[in-house]
Amino acid sequence: DAGITQSPRHKVTETGTPVTLRCHQTENHRYMYWYRQDPGHGLRLIHYSYGVKDTDKGEVSDGYSVSRSKTEDFLLTLESATSSQTSVYFCAIREDVLDTQYFGPGTRLTVL
Amino acid sequence: KNEVEQSPQNLTAQEGEFITINCSYSVGISALHWLQQHPGGGIVSLFMLSSGKKKHGRLIATINIQEKHSSLHITASHPRDSAVYICALRDTDKLIFGTGTRLQVFP
Repeated sequence: DAGITQSPRHKVTETGTPVTLRCHQTENHRYMYWYRQDPGHGLRLIHYSYGVKDTDKGEVSDGYSVSRSKTEDFLLTLESATSSQTSVYFCAIREDVLDTQYFGPGTRLTVL
Repeated sequence: KNEVEQSPQNLTAQEGEFITINCSYSVGISALHWLQQHPGGGIVSLFMLSSGKKKHGRLIATINIQEKHSSLHITASHPRDSAVYICALRDTDKLIFGTGTRLQVFP
């Protein structure tokens, strides 16, 4: 599993509140990703990072921001949560040699 | 227009049957991935293909670059193979995912 953890694993929050999800890896991989997964959609990329302080947007980045101040941590922030952001969020890392993505266990977020 | 199309969306099988899941795509790619998502939600990478065929245990993945098509085969299917199987295309630094094929294998 490439030592990927996500926290929290479950969260219920109210519309308009800020939320931060954390992804932590133990193996110093350069690339880290945040996805959301919703019924009827494939995994969709929110943001990704290709190094410390180097990030880029994915296809569904509106309403989300990210930060990566150290290699092992990639934070996803919802500045003001909305009900449309209710989803399961997965973090992943890319192992460069084999071009394999390893996924975290996911965070189930409910915005009421 | 979806860049990645998987078929079928849902598949049921009896234990022991040979399973085929298909993935068609419309763009040039450098690699294609197959992933498995278990009912509990965990996602694991099965294969990365850039050409030809790969085999791991009872799983076989093939890709035809010219026809823009890949297949995932499961031989001698078992109830523990029940999962969602996801095809994804490598697009530079990112993956583009299909919506998945839900497989249920009954004893």
